[in-house]
Amino acid sequence: GENVEQHPSTLSVQEGDSAVIKCTYSDSASNYFPWYKQELGKGPQLIIDIRSNVGEKKDQRIAVTLNKTAKHFSLHITETQPEDSAVYFCAARSNNRLAFGKGNQVVVIP
Amino acid sequence: NAGVMQNPRHLVRRRGQEARLRCSPMKGHSHVYWYRQLPEEGLKFMVYLQKENIIDESGMPKERFSAEFPKEGPSILRIQQVVRGDSAAYFCASQQGSGNEKLFFGSGTQLSVL
Repeated sequence: GENVEQHPSTLSVQEGDSAVIKCTYSDSASNYFPWYKQELGKGPQLIIDIRSNVGEKKDQRIAVTLNKTAKHFSLHITETQPEDSAVYFCAARSNNRLAFGKGNQVVVIP
Repeated sequence: NAGVMQNPRHLVRRRGQEARLRCSPMKGHSHVYWYRQLPEEGLKFMVYLQKENIIDESGMPKERFSAEFPKEGPSILRIQQVVRGDSAAYFCASQQGSGNEKLFFGSGTQLSVL
């Protein structure tokens, strides 16, 4: 089945700087790649997604890039704010289900 | 415009008891997924259901675990004869249909087995 890996596991950034989280996937048939943000005690919240026929997508301070050849995709958060502090999960869709990475703890330092 | 509703938020059971977790999908959504999350781990797929059908249960243990999504009412994840290793957060996600990939998650049920 699909195997998704995330790096780094923890990321600390100064408020206002950019944060980048990278994920790799194994199944070349995967065609949909969402990112979720999870705050303590809450369920994962979909923040942005990208399909395999698109290389980049942007929504305000958040962007996602996809490299199908290398089988990796990245989440970019610009002008980070304290409320961006959370665990971020990437996922890849294969065989009608999402396979998730283990998550990245992002800490934005005021 | 309610989101995915899960209840209870917290469930405490003693070893050997049964746990029932409920999930009501978003309005208009007919597909439900159940995922399990352990501390500092990602979400692990358990089962994918449509109304009255189990589409994929390959992520669910063969014994003690079962899931249903009846024509009327919420989806139920049932764990019989719980053991301490079943303690985890269980999340439900709903999807509008197979042509729309977006999954929306509920707030989860934290199961604690004493």
